[in-house]
Amino acid sequence: ELKVEQNPLFLSMQEGKNYTIYCNYSTTSDRLYWYRQDPGKSLESLFVLLSNGAVKQEGRLMASLDTKARLSTLHITAAVHDLSATYFCAVAQYDSTSGTYKYIFGTGTRLKVLA
Amino acid sequence: DTGVSQDPRHKITKRGQNVTFRCDPISEHNRLYWYRQTLGQGPEFLTYFQNEAQLEKSRLLSDRFSAERPKGSFSTLEIQRTEQGDSAMYLCASSLNGYSYEQYFGPGTRLTVT
Repeated sequence: ELKVEQNPLFLSMQEGKNYTIYCNYSTTSDRLYWYRQDPGKSLESLFVLLSNGAVKQEGRLMASLDTKARLSTLHITAAVHDLSATYFCAVAQYDSTSGTYKYIFGTGTRLKVLA
Repeated sequence: DTGVSQDPRHKITKRGQNVTFRCDPISEHNRLYWYRQTLGQGPEFLTYFQNEAQLEKSRLLSDRFSAERPKGSFSTLEIQRTEQGDSAMYLCASSLNGYSYEQYFGPGTRLTVT
């Protein structure tokens, strides 16, 4: 069964600093998604990574995928307070019986950027 | 607003009562998903529809839970004989057929069972 682990679970960082969130998964998949969730709110899609070596960037966030290592990273550059949120990765697992994908989420990384 | 909508946003019910939630996906999206999220955890998959067909159900979905998508548009999730352990945020997401299957989430329905 597919397991998705994120680390760290909690991250407190100063504004202006760089940091990386890691997402490891246990079985083969070529689809990985990153989401942001603000307290009490729903999930906002950040990145869709669909192939080995995929890299996407939006503002101060950059996501990458290494399917051989079963690892995705979310890199934060020069953090600002507005990036404070919980970040989830989700991995799509293909079920050959139903012919569908099921999405397994990590436990999330709660990021707090201190001014 | 053309995003995913959910109704109600909050529901407080007494243990043993039945509740029903509604999800309206983005209009051209043929795939619809239900998730449950408890505090401090990531969303857990409950069930999935492609058009009106329910293609997969999680083991988390006990026989007290039922979901429908009668005309391939909106969906309902019903919980019968609610228990305190059912208290959670219930999220709906939709996606379009295509390579990315990117999911768009609704605002969620927060259920509190007293």
